Amino acid sequence: GAGVSQTPSNKVTEKGKYVELRCDPISGHTALYWYRQSLGQGPEFLIYFQGTGAADDSGLPNDRFFAVRPEGSVSTLKIQRTERGDSAVYLCASSLIGGYSDTQYFGPGTRLTVL
Amino acid sequence: QKEVEQNSGPLSVPEGAIASLNCTYSDRGSQSFFWYRQYSGKSPELIMSIYSNGDKEDGRFTAQLNKASQYVSLLIRDSQPSDSATYLCAVIDSGGNDMRFGAGTRLTVKP
Repeated sequence: GAGVSQTPSNKVTEKGKYVELRCDPISGHTALYWYRQSLGQGPEFLIYFQGTGAADDSGLPNDRFFAVRPEGSVSTLKIQRTERGDSAVYLCASSLIGGYSDTQYFGPGTRLTVL
Repeated sequence: QKEVEQNSGPLSVPEGAIASLNCTYSDRGSQSFFWYRQYSGKSPELIMSIYSNGDKEDGRFTAQLNKASQYVSLLIRDSQPSDSATYLCAVIDSGGNDMRFGAGTRLTVKP
């Protein structure tokens, strides 16, 4: 079946604006993860959903960042009052059941540029 | 202290040689260990996972885990130019959910 998809692939916005990034996981995967990757760095964990609920949001950097997964499938990462430091590639991953032994499959990412 | 540390490289090996990539982690209770390959501009793809001490082989790839030393490595035998990429070490910590990545080691295999 199809892999993880993310839209848009690129997003350019101005400082202070609001953005939404979308992730469509592999069908049937209950676990969904958001990461942020800055240039030259590994992905940084942001939030983990199990079904509709955020099981772990300890990686969200501040209250400008928020994510939802209302029906347990598609997820949206929302960033308010964007700052230039938010510029990065935002990666989404999904896995079948979650947990420490389950393989995470990554989407192509959304490259966010805040001017 | 960084939770997962890798030598950033670049690591350059000739075609056909063995490439050795290393990673250390700080959380002694970590349960799962992964190696991802990331080509420039692309998303990470899983190469190997390892959960218990010792070696795990898959084709040209061997992952090695030593929990006492908090050390995990990846060996690539008969390296090919197509192996040129950044290799990311990832660890799921004692909490069981968060996967923490190292900064990656950039590998170049020269023909």
